[in-house]
Order: sequence, then structure tokens, then C-alpha cells
Amino acid sequence: GENVEQHPSTLSVQEGDSAVIKCTYSDSASNYFPWYKQELGKRPQLIIDIRSNVGEKKDQRIAVTLNKTAKHFSLHITETQPEDSAVYFCAASRLSGGYNKLIFGAGTRLAVHP
Amino acid sequence: DGGITQSPKYLFRKEGQNVTLSCEQNLNHDAMYWYRQDPGQGLRLIYYSQIVNDFQKGDIAEGYSVSREKKESFPLTVTSAQKNPTAFYLCASSPYLRGNTGELFFGEGSRLTVL
Repeated sequence: GENVEQHPSTLSVQEGDSAVIKCTYSDSASNYFPWYKQELGKRPQLIIDIRSNVGEKKDQRIAVTLNKTAKHFSLHITETQPEDSAVYFCAASRLSGGYNKLIFGAGTRLAVHP
Repeated sequence: DGGITQSPKYLFRKEGQNVTLSCEQNLNHDAMYWYRQDPGQGLRLIYYSQIVNDFQKGDIAEGYSVSREKKESFPLTVTSAQKNPTAFYLCASSPYLRGNTGELFFGEGSRLTVL
């Protein structure tokens, strides 16, 4: 079945450093790749997404890159801050019709130390 | 204040009992979803619904049932057939995709513990 693998499962960085989280997907028909952030005890919230017709997208300190050939996409956070500490989930889906059946990775727990 | 409301936030159940988790949205979204979250396993799709009176099984539907009688509501029943029901359950919704990003909007979750 469809699968999304995410690495690493935990990541610890110093404030101001960069963080990179990587995901691979199995369904070559996937065309939508979002990243969600879940703070402790809260709901997951979308932070950035990318569609398959784009190779890179940036929003302030966060960026996502996509390599369709390798079926690989990554989240990059620069100048990390303590408030970036959370669990990050990547996901993939085929966007079509009236629903979005996202397949999620297992998550990466990011800790940013002051 | 628009959003998705899940209730109850915490629920305890004895083995052999069915329990129903509520999910209501006032975002006028067409699609609704139920995910299960376990430590180290991410979010796994239980059921999803594109329109009223229609729903589809996700990857881990065994032991669960849903209904979609109203656009705003998508309750999940955890039946006694679910062998390991203790988990955090998240409901989500999304608008019709045309002109929208595909973003899922999540509720705050319901934590079910089986005693």
C-alpha cells in the first residue's frame, strides 16, 4: 500500500542552527506534499505545502524541496527558535475530486535548545 | 468562531463497551476524516467522507464505524471489536478542492483510554 517514511524520528539542535527533516513516498501518482506542525497537546496545523509541479517553496524561515524522480521531499527550517520545538509530520496524497486522503509519515520530534 | 469541535476531550471505557466520539464542524467543508494517532506511528486514516451519506474505509477501519447524516457532523464509534482502542483520535475536515489548497483542518482531538 501507499507509504510515507520520515527521518529522523528525533532531532535536537541549538537555537539559530538549521534543521532538516526528510521524507520519501511510495505512490508515484502523489501530487501534494504538506508539512504539519503539532505542538504538545495541540492539534496539527499546516505550515507549508508543495505541489508536484514545483521543485521548491519558501515561506520566511521554512522551505520545502521536492525531488519527484527520487520520490523524496524535505523540510528545511533555518535560524531555529525555541518555539519551533514540536512534532513535525510530512504527508503525501493525490489531490483530486472532493477529498484529500493524506498518508502521513511517523513524525519527527524537534527540540530547539536555547 | 469557526472550527472543528471534538468531544469528549478525554474518555475512559471498559473493555467490551462501544463508545462514540463526536466531531462537528461549522466551516461548511464537504469532506471529513478520522485519524488515529499513536506514539511513533504518526496519523493513520480510519474513515473519510466526501459528502453526506457517503463514507469510505481508510487504512485501519476494522473495529470502527462512522455515519454522515449531516454535512456538519461525522461521529466515530469505536466498537468492542477494535482490539487496541487506546489512542488519540483526531477529526479533520477540508473544503472542496477546486480553488483550495488541500489543507486539512484538525480538531483538538479525543483521548480514549480503555481500562
